[in-house]
Amino acid sequence: DIQMTQSPSSLSASVGDRVTITCRASQDIKNNLGWFQQKPGKAPKRLIYDASTLQSGVPSRFSGVGSGTEFTLTISSLQPEDFATYYCLQHITYPRTFGQGTRVEVK
Amino acid sequence: EVYLLQSGGGLVQPGGSLKISCAASAFTFSNFAMTWVRQVPGKGLEWVSSISGSGRGTHYADFVKGRFTISRDNSKNTLSLEMNSLRADDTATYYCAKGLWYSGEDYWGQGTLVTVSS
Repeated sequence: DIQMTQSPSSLSASVGDRVTITCRASQDIKNNLGWFQQKPGKAPKRLIYDASTLQSGVPSRFSGVGSGTEFTLTISSLQPEDFATYYCLQHITYPRTFGQGTRVEVK
Repeated sequence: EVYLLQSGGGLVQPGGSLKISCAASAFTFSNFAMTWVRQVPGKGLEWVSSISGSGRGTHYADFVKGRFTISRDNSKNTLSLEMNSLRADDTATYYCAKGLWYSGEDYWGQGTLVTVSS
């Protein structure tokens, strides 16, 4: 099975900060990775697919880069509505695997 | 507008069975693979199972293999998850979802809580 190691598990940041979250895959997943945002009590929502393609309607302050085993989600200027938990998901093979999640909290 | 409406869920005793469902609307259901994802309270997301559009292809996480069965009725636009031999660690909110790894929009049900406890 492919393991997805996400870091950090949590971070504290302020509005306007640049935030970076990393996912590392235990083997090459090419660009078969998505990034999801989840707010408390709500279903997740995908932000980015194919590692770097922004979902329609998602603000351009979100970006994703990476290929192979290392992937990064960046929020260029954190906004109040971005405080949430973020997950990566690999989909090159079954079983699909999520990263452990990164909780972005108010500093 | 695409909608996934979940039903079922609730309290079940360890070793018991439960079936949860997901009714889809506003898209050609049979054209799309569907997925179940769960979330233990306070924990992260876990992929549980997926099924192809035709229903002929199914995949399961090891922790549910042999206990859970995913199925779909394309004539009724309904996805189901039959859960047997339930354990306390199956307690979670279960989400049905569409489009998690394809271009275009992803859609999720509202989630349904399954509690396994005596």
